[in-house]
Amino acid sequence: NAGVTQTPKFQVLKTGQSMTLQCAQDMNHNSMYWYRQDPGMGLRLIYYSASEGTTDKGEVPNGYNVSRLNKREFSLRLESAAPSQTSVYFCASSGVSEQYFGPGTRLTVT
Amino acid sequence: GENVEQHPSTLSVQEGDSAVIKCTYSDSASNYFPWYKQELGKGPQLIIDIRSNVGEKKDQRIAVTLNKTAKHFSLHITETQPEDSAVYFCAASQNSGTYKYIFGTGTRLKVLA
Repeated sequence: NAGVTQTPKFQVLKTGQSMTLQCAQDMNHNSMYWYRQDPGMGLRLIYYSASEGTTDKGEVPNGYNVSRLNKREFSLRLESAAPSQTSVYFCASSGVSEQYFGPGTRLTVT
Repeated sequence: GENVEQHPSTLSVQEGDSAVIKCTYSDSASNYFPWYKQELGKGPQLIIDIRSNVGEKKDQRIAVTLNKTAKHFSLHITETQPEDSAVYFCAASQNSGTYKYIFGTGTRLKVLA
């Protein structure tokens, strides 16, 4: 089992560019999540998907969109990147309760 | 909405000593409280959790206590070792089908050899 995988590991964007962060899990979990982690602010929920076909906003959804492509995959899209979106992004999935996290994507927007 | 406060933000202890990290939450409906450990360059990993129908839970050198009345819960690490050095996060969640976590801001633990 690979658990939760994320691509890419690192990315540098210029302001205004777009990109999609990919996430996949092989644990047959129903729920998936996207967080951002900034120094001194912990992890903040961007969007989540309770099950295939559903998505909902978290604490900080502005500037992001998501797609739950199927049960395994949950992508996060930045349509027009801004320097304020420089962060480390984590994807997670859960079955009954515990969330399992991926290794993260470090994104820098210049 | 829920708010989780975590203290201290940094903690240094001598190897073999105990470490205590404290969190408070605001929403009395929260009923699941996990603790995550994050090593440098990695994603957070669950180390222990507690549900609101339990006051204390222990797993070897790690224990968590919960005081529902005061709305606070704490992580206790005994006999600390250098490999315990990491950032620790508490979180609070409600059992509503999907466990949406609200995380604390993290505690950087340094165990000095």
